[in-house]
Amino acid sequence: EVQLVESGGGLVQPGGSLRLSCLASGFTFSANTMHWVRQAPGRGLEYVSAISATGGTTSYGDSVKGRFTVSRDNSQHTLFLEMNSLRVEDTAVYYCLRPYDFWGQGSLVTVSS
Amino acid sequence: ELVLTQSPATLSLSPGERATLSCRASQSVSSNLVWYQQKPGQAPRLLTYDASNRATGIPARFSGSGSGTDFTLTISSLEPEDFAVYYCLQRSSWPYTFGQGTKLEIK
Repeated sequence: EVQLVESGGGLVQPGGSLRLSCLASGFTFSANTMHWVRQAPGRGLEYVSAISATGGTTSYGDSVKGRFTVSRDNSQHTLFLEMNSLRVEDTAVYYCLRPYDFWGQGSLVTVSS
Repeated sequence: ELVLTQSPATLSLSPGERATLSCRASQSVSSNLVWYQQKPGQAPRLLTYDASNRATGIPARFSGSGSGTDFTLTISSLEPEDFAVYYCLQRSSWPYTFGQGTKLEIK
């Protein structure tokens, strides 16, 4: 059974940092591109980032470019999202997904003073 | 950035009726379009990919069609569990983008 389990969310002040993790199981993690998508409370879905299977290619949405960094550890079957210079508008549930069929349960990030 | 526009924003129908949801792209995405269903408090659920291919385990009443800039998700006969928010996603060009969603509500 494919499982994606996010962790690391929480409350952080504007300007702060947070690192999300996504532990994968039930499929060959090292063979799959992985993505991050977020959803602000009561709002729609927004693409955040993507990373190739080897980690050699990364992509970011315009709203997070230069502040967020995606990475992965294939030996640990884990995807990461390092978020710096956080803003109030980054408040959202962050989902990791194996494009396009399997999604994690989401991790809530709240940026507030 | 490629923009997807979904219509209508809200669709009010009764169980047993046919639902037609539209997704229009600001430029061609070929067949690189995905449809999702999302219920409150849950992650999105994949319905169709590559415009018209039904995902594993998705009932036959869900069908996707279209190519280029105009796409449709049709639910042939609504079941009570189909009332939810539906999103389209283009994976033709980065940044990938979602439509703003169509809320399918019980009339």
